[in-house]
Amino acid sequence: QQQVKQSPQSLIVQKGGISIINCAYENTAFDYFPWYQQFPGKGPALLIAIRPDVSEKKEGRFTISFNKSAKQFSLHIMDSQPGDSATYFCAASIKTSYDKVIFGPGTSLSVIP
Amino acid sequence: NAGVTQTPKFQVLKTGQSMTLQCAQDMNHEYMSWYRQDPGMGLRLIHYSVGAGITDQGEVPNGYNVSRSTTEDFPLRLLSAAPSQTSVYFCASSDLRGYTFGSGTRLTVV
Repeated sequence: QQQVKQSPQSLIVQKGGISIINCAYENTAFDYFPWYQQFPGKGPALLIAIRPDVSEKKEGRFTISFNKSAKQFSLHIMDSQPGDSATYFCAASIKTSYDKVIFGPGTSLSVIP
Repeated sequence: NAGVTQTPKFQVLKTGQSMTLQCAQDMNHEYMSWYRQDPGMGLRLIHYSVGAGITDQGEVPNGYNVSRSTTEDFPLRLLSAAPSQTSVYFCASSDLRGYTFGSGTRLTVV
């Protein structure tokens, strides 16, 4: 019940296309869903996050869509660029208990020219 | 502001050797944690701490020790290195907004 599932494992998108990464969770106590971006040789960095009281959050070209009833959320990268090539991790946590976030297994995104 | 600083960046150990991976944060976060990252395995929690003097085990604690004597520092000790501990290790500190990760230590045990 603590697991966060993430798909696809890897993704290749053409420059200018839309990248979509999907995640699903089981524990209905989760109330905070961040996404992390990791470039090769670097640590993961917080990219964008959403709470389940909203269905969508947009920051620039990055959008999180959230479906509370289905217990699913997704990251959309619009107008994908080669500089977006990285590994993306979704995560879930209980915001008032900031420890022990559960990470998804990661998606390796390659944006080709 | 430095955020989370990890040292060393690279290390090669022989089987059976011990070493300490250092981690320091300057954000006054109470929560700190250590993860290992292996290909296809994502991030796995080794140990974590919710404040000075308090530590607990994560998903994969065997072969590792931690201590938290100050808010700023959270070192990870490998007691007797094994080839299975070859990995990239990340330290992180957290507030309610999310985690800040260090740049990692790439450890090879031969």
